[in-house]
Amino acid sequence: GNSVTQMEGPVTLSEEAFLTINCTYTATGYPSLFWYVQYPGEGLQLLLKATKADDKGSNKGFEATYRKETTSFHLEKGSVQVSDSAVYFCALSNTGGGNKLTFGTGTQLKVEL
Amino acid sequence: DAGVIQSPRHEVTEMGQEVTLRCKPISGHDYLFWYRQTMMRGLELLIYFNNNVPIDDSGMPEDRFSAKMPNASFSTLKIQPSEPRDSAVYFCASSFGVGNQPQHFGDGTRLSIL
Repeated sequence: GNSVTQMEGPVTLSEEAFLTINCTYTATGYPSLFWYVQYPGEGLQLLLKATKADDKGSNKGFEATYRKETTSFHLEKGSVQVSDSAVYFCALSNTGGGNKLTFGTGTQLKVEL
Repeated sequence: DAGVIQSPRHEVTEMGQEVTLRCKPISGHDYLFWYRQTMMRGLELLIYFNNNVPIDDSGMPEDRFSAKMPNASFSTLKIQPSEPRDSAVYFCASSFGVGNQPQHFGDGTRLSIL
């Protein structure tokens, strides 16, 4: 079956630090990969996605590259801001499973001044 | 554009009472999902619909939980009778198509069962 493994949090960084949140997956076929972000008191929002190997998704300074050889989709940002403090979820979907998403457990990011 | 709309945003009720959560998906979306989020178990998919038909309800925890989608613009999740362990944030999400299409989430209903 499908599964997503994320690094445990919380991750605490100073403003302008470099961010990496690791994500690896197990899936049959060629899944699509997503990063969602959840700000306090809100629902999840799509941050970025990649639909095939070697694709790079990017949005708001965040990037992630679909690496099929290492089954990974690590999230990176060169310089984090306090406003990036949130919980980040890695997820995948397989076409054969409809639009059903398999989520990781989420990684909380705290950015301090 | 209006996003996914959930109501109520907060619900506090006593054990044994019936609880009904409501969701209006984004117009034109053909998939609707109900999730539950807790600190202990994270984000769990309860059930999802395609074109108003339930496709997979394997995540529904017990017979006390039921979900309906009478039309393309409305869905309910009902808990009867409610128990304290049902306390959680319940999210509704919708999407269009399959595979690489993202899901759009509502802001959730925070449910507290006393």
